[in-house]
Amino acid sequence: DVKVTQSSRYLVKRTGEKVFLECVQDMDHENMFWYRQDPGLGLRLIYFSYDVKMKEKGDIPEGYSVSREKKERFSLILESASTNQTSMYLCASRREWGTDTQYFGPGTRLTVL
Amino acid sequence: DQQVKQNSPSLSVQEGRISILNCDYTNSMFDYFLWYKKYPAEGPTFLISISSIKDKNEDGRFTVFLNKSAKHLSLHIVPSQPGDSAVYFCAASVANFGNEKLTFGTGTRLTIIP
Repeated sequence: DVKVTQSSRYLVKRTGEKVFLECVQDMDHENMFWYRQDPGLGLRLIYFSYDVKMKEKGDIPEGYSVSREKKERFSLILESASTNQTSMYLCASRREWGTDTQYFGPGTRLTVL
Repeated sequence: DQQVKQNSPSLSVQEGRISILNCDYTNSMFDYFLWYKKYPAEGPTFLISISSIKDKNEDGRFTVFLNKSAKHLSLHIVPSQPGDSAVYFCAASVANFGNEKLTFGTGTRLTIIP
């Protein structure tokens, strides 16, 4: 079974803090993704990565950056957290380009005060 | 600009009856569609998919129908069971580019009434 884990289930940060959300997958997947889920908006893609050290902007990259130094780990960074970044953050992985199923982690609920 | 829309935020269905969840899309380039199911405090899990070369795909109690001319897809669950209570997201992609970007709908919360 594919396992995607996220470092925290709940996180509370203050405005202006730098925030790191970590995601690890254990199935040697090439592709990894970060989404945020908001009521009435569904899941929106923030960034994705085809492979180590590669990254592509998704639909809403503003205010975020990512890092993928190792294949199994994909980090989402909020350089200076703002209240409008309060959300559920979901990480996903996929075996490789051209396959369909993405496997999701349990999510991190981030609250920015 | 919501390219994938699920116009019903919630749906309640009696156990044993059919659940029908609907999804509309606006981007005619989409040619691969998926349904994901999400329980509270868990990440979404893949349920079923369909390519635009088909108009129907079936997997056990789950069937997805695609109407390309209407840019509409639906998920049928029959018979509905209490464990089907969850939020369902439809998603779409342009398969030519390897499905790397999924565009998700806003979700429909399905409640199965025992």
